[in-house]
Amino acid sequence: RKEVEQDPGPFNVPEGATVAFNCTYSNSASQSFFWYRQDCRKEPKLLMSVYSSGNEDGRFTAQLNRASQYISLLIRDSKLSDSATYLCVVKRDSGYSTLTFGKGTMLLVSP
Amino acid sequence: ETGVTQTPRHLVMGMTNKKSLKCEQHLGHNAMYWYKQSAKKPLELMFVYSLEERVENNSVPSRFSPECPNSSHLFLHLHTLQPEDSALYLCASSQELAGELGEQFFGPGTRLTVL
Repeated sequence: RKEVEQDPGPFNVPEGATVAFNCTYSNSASQSFFWYRQDCRKEPKLLMSVYSSGNEDGRFTAQLNRASQYISLLIRDSKLSDSATYLCVVKRDSGYSTLTFGKGTMLLVSP
Repeated sequence: ETGVTQTPRHLVMGMTNKKSLKCEQHLGHNAMYWYKQSAKKPLELMFVYSLEERVENNSVPSRFSPECPNSSHLFLHLHTLQPEDSALYLCASSQELAGELGEQFFGPGTRLTVL
C-alpha cells in the first residue's frame, strides 16, 4: 500500500459545484497533515493544514479521521481559479525527511 | 510571490554533460531541500540541509551531488545523468526549530530534460 493515496483524477466540475477530495495514509504514526495546491507547471503551495477537529478557510474545509487514516478536502462554490492539482501531504513524526506527498488529484472547473 | 528562486528554469542536457541547478531563498530560513517531481509520480525528497549541513539523503544516486555553501544558497550538481532523470526539480526552504518542520516554501522548479 502506498504511503499516501489520493483519488485518481481529473475531476471535472462546473463553476459553483461542491467537490470533495479524499486521501488515505498508511502510517498510523503520522502526526501532521496538509493540503497543497499545485497549478499547472508551477510549484506546490500550502493551501491549509488539517487539524483533528476539522478546519475551515473560506470555501475550503479540511477534515481528518485518525481512526480511518483518512483526510478530506471539500471545496464549495468552485471557481475557475480553483483549477489545479491538490496534493495530500502527511508528516510522520518529528524530523526533516518526513513530508510524504500523494500524487495529487487534478481539478478542472469549467464555466 | 515566492521568496525562493531557481535557475535555470529549463535545462536540456546530454548524458555526458555536467550542469548545476541553483536555488536561492530570500526568506531567512535555515533549512533547504531538493525534491524531484516526475510525471505521474509524487514529489520525492532528495536532500535536506539544515544550517548548511546535510541531514538527509534519501538514497539518491551519486550522479546527483548537492552543495550548500550558506543558508541562502543550494546547488544540485548533475553529471552523467540518464534519460529517466528527466523531471521537475524543486527547491524548498523552511524554518526549522528544534527539529520540527516549518511550512515549506517551494521555488518554481527547473524542468530538466536528459537526452
